[in-house]
Amino acid sequence: DGGITQSPKYLFRKEGQNVTLSCEQNLNHDAMYWYRQDPGQGLRLIYYSQIVNDFQKGDIAEGYSVSREKKESFPLTVTSAQKNPTAFYLCASTTGTAYNSPLHFGNGTRLTVT
Amino acid sequence: QKEVEQNSGPLSVPEGAIASLNCTYSDRVSQSFFWYRQYSGKSPELIMSIYSNGDKEDGRFTAQLNKASQYVSLLIRDSQPSDSATYLCAVIRGYGQNFVFGPGTRLSVLP
Repeated sequence: DGGITQSPKYLFRKEGQNVTLSCEQNLNHDAMYWYRQDPGQGLRLIYYSQIVNDFQKGDIAEGYSVSREKKESFPLTVTSAQKNPTAFYLCASTTGTAYNSPLHFGNGTRLTVT
Repeated sequence: QKEVEQNSGPLSVPEGAIASLNCTYSDRVSQSFFWYRQYSGKSPELIMSIYSNGDKEDGRFTAQLNKASQYVSLLIRDSQPSDSATYLCAVIRGYGQNFVFGPGTRLSVLP
């Protein structure tokens, strides 16, 4: 079955360490996204990519970095520059070709930084 | 003004009643609108999408769109306790593939 796989499900890190969250999809989607969700709040866009080797900053890109070397993969690195990294991180994808294609989400990674 | 606004709730309705969830957006050129349901601790799942003015029905769910008023709503008929979740409204910003989400409305269906 096609889908989006995020790993790990839970991640714990010490303050000052960089950490990379994995996102892999086998839906053959062109566009991939990273969102952050804080308790009781909606989703905020970190980065998105509409094609391999190209990506754009979202609304809260500071302290994060991404790469898109393969169509299937869009890893997110949370750097030590991110002031408040503890959050629920969601990866999503869509076909990228039709204006009305919805987002499909992975199961998320819950990051805790102490 | 936030791009996508929703009442945060919680919205409480008795089992069997109609739940009405509302969403307004600020970008007049937005063309595509989506409703997602998110259970606590889980990722959002798509319930409905709507692109044209009017109503769109799918089972117990009806989405309503009024582009002139920049307003999208979701009606849930015969609400069940399993409908208790947070409902997120999403809009594609401008002409691109940039999705913007509202803060969500928490719905509680009381048995």
